[in-house]
Amino acid sequence: SQQGEEDPQALSIQEGENATMNCSYKTSINNLQWYRQNSGRGLVHLILIRSNEREKHSGRLRVTLDTSKKSSSLLITASRAADTASYFCATDAAPYSGAGSYQLTFGKGTKLSVIP
Amino acid sequence: NAGVTQTPKFQVLKTGQSMTLQCAQDMNHEYMSWYRQDPGMGLRLIHYSVGAGITDQGEVPNGYNVSRSTTEDFPLRLLSAAPSQTSVYFCASSYSLDSSYEQYFGPGTRLTVT
Repeated sequence: SQQGEEDPQALSIQEGENATMNCSYKTSINNLQWYRQNSGRGLVHLILIRSNEREKHSGRLRVTLDTSKKSSSLLITASRAADTASYFCATDAAPYSGAGSYQLTFGKGTKLSVIP
Repeated sequence: NAGVTQTPKFQVLKTGQSMTLQCAQDMNHEYMSWYRQDPGMGLRLIHYSVGAGITDQGEVPNGYNVSRSTTEDFPLRLLSAAPSQTSVYFCASSYSLDSSYEQYFGPGTRLTVT
């Protein structure tokens, strides 16, 4: 069963604009990760945020986590054509109780198109 | 470092045939896993391993076998291919099962079963 769900399913913006993607999940988590997938390629890890963190930055990426709302957002600032990709959130299940709860569960992704 | 490598990149099988998808990593990672990705879906976990000689089932294990005889290699076997197994398969590795570690993905194998 899928834990995280991204919203929107697809997003199209102009180069230079900011892109915001959201992820909602159902049960408590220990960690939430964001990944990017370029067309026809494997996933690449972008950023990890722990349940006791509210915000993290990495370059042009900003991730927030609201555990009370069970949601996270990924903001890409000053987008570039090279940011065109699908973005996935992945969550585990807290508390850890058996190997299954450690496993990352991936959402269906947000497909971002950045128009030059 | 080559990271995570997968072979073949593409494969077409007839229903009932068997084959092995290869996965190797050179990062000395203990945790390895196999996912399948279908159109409009996220990744679904097929099998995983927390070390040589240890494997376990994920969300969608039926029709697939795995073994882990070395730290580096984690092959996925399709026993009797079915059209429902048409998908893109990704192998991933990580330092640990713990979700506080990032996963490294291979480039994928695109499998078509006719």
